[in-house]
Amino acid sequence: KQEVTQIPAALSVPEGENLVLNCSFTDSAIYNLQWFRQDPGKGLTSLLLIQSSQREQTSGRLNASLDKSSGRSTLYIAASQPGDSATYLCASSGSARQLTFGSGTQLTVLP
Amino acid sequence: EAQVTQNPRYLITVTGKKLTVTCSQNMNHEYMSWYRQDPGLGLRQIYYSMNVEVTDKGDVPEGYKVSRKEKRNFPLILESPSPNQTSLYFCASTGGTGELFFGEGSRLTVL
Repeated sequence: KQEVTQIPAALSVPEGENLVLNCSFTDSAIYNLQWFRQDPGKGLTSLLLIQSSQREQTSGRLNASLDKSSGRSTLYIAASQPGDSATYLCASSGSARQLTFGSGTQLTVLP
Repeated sequence: EAQVTQNPRYLITVTGKKLTVTCSQNMNHEYMSWYRQDPGLGLRQIYYSMNVEVTDKGDVPEGYKVSRKEKRNFPLILESPSPNQTSLYFCASTGGTGELFFGEGSRLTVL
């Protein structure tokens, strides 16, 4: 059974820093990997989707990478801003489209 | 606007009183799913549906039912709610690329 782990559980950085969030998964036979953002009391917003055949995806200040062989994905946030404060979750999708979520990294960007 | 709509957003009920949480999407997606989110346990999949009249159990299906009579609707039914079903529930639909679109969530409290 797939297990997805995110470390650290919480991270606090000063505004302007570049940062990396980590996601690891135990079963490399994934269909895709997605990163989401969740604000308190809100639903999840999809940030980036990496198909199993891809190595990375970029959107604005965000870059996500995928290394299936090592079972790892990273989300890189450049020039962080207070508005980036949220919980970031990664999720792997198997061939049956069942998603397994990590427990998230709670990011705080200090002004 | 592409969206997934859940109702109700907030509900307090008592043990044993049947309730239904509705979910509707306007993107003509075939794949829909339900999740619950609990502190320390993250998001876990309850049920999913790959198309009309096709549903299957996720990781935590006990105590829940679903139906998929139309492509746009995927209601979650709690026949006899119990306090351990107090949680934050999310409905999602999946596009052709695998990207998930989440509803805003339904916070359920069972007394």
